Amino acid sequence: DADVTQTPRNRITKTGKRIMLECSQTKGHDRMYWYRQDPGLGLRLIYYSFDVKDINKGEISDGYSVSRQAQAKFSLSLESAIPNQTALYFCATSEERRGGDTQYFGPGTRLTVL
Amino acid sequence: GNSVTQMEGPVTLSEEAFLTINCTYTATGYPSLFWYVQYPGEGLQLLLKATKADDKGSNKGFEATYRKETTSFHLEKGSVQVSDSAVYFCALKKGGSEKLVFGKGTKLTVNP
Repeated sequence: DADVTQTPRNRITKTGKRIMLECSQTKGHDRMYWYRQDPGLGLRLIYYSFDVKDINKGEISDGYSVSRQAQAKFSLSLESAIPNQTALYFCATSEERRGGDTQYFGPGTRLTVL
Repeated sequence: GNSVTQMEGPVTLSEEAFLTINCTYTATGYPSLFWYVQYPGEGLQLLLKATKADDKGSNKGFEATYRKETTSFHLEKGSVQVSDSAVYFCALKKGGSEKLVFGKGTKLTVNP
């Protein structure tokens, strides 16, 4: 079984709809992240969480919100989706360790907003 | 601010060719450096990393050396295979920061 899972894998929705993307992990890591990937732009950080009570904005948090329901679950919401939020979204986890920590990515959710 | 610049693709090679994907970075201090690979339809996977100057990361025949003097972390492989076709991302992370800064990615296609 995959260590980091995302649901759904694909979603098509309309402008103005509320959308939730879910991420679960079995790695036991305390840190979780949401990124979006756009062609030619690499990955950009939306939100990250150190633990259930610690959530932080990344570089492109406008239009998004998150919820850390448990150590293993981190959800990303688009309250009112717009077409420029069409992208590939990745969840990732890590644990802090000396010398640079590694992030482990889920398979991604492809979101299309019409 | 911190940034990563990697060579633009796409890169197309024949099987068994030598691969170099250039990556340079801008950062204060001593960041950790990473190469991630994204196979078609999948998420990113860590390929290799280096945490201090002159360290060499290696995995699956790929290598990259942390060069502080040239602020570079170029990815190399002596003989590529069709299965190496993927998008490769160079990234850095400063100690004390949660932010992993990615380059824009380089798409590699290896033909038989």
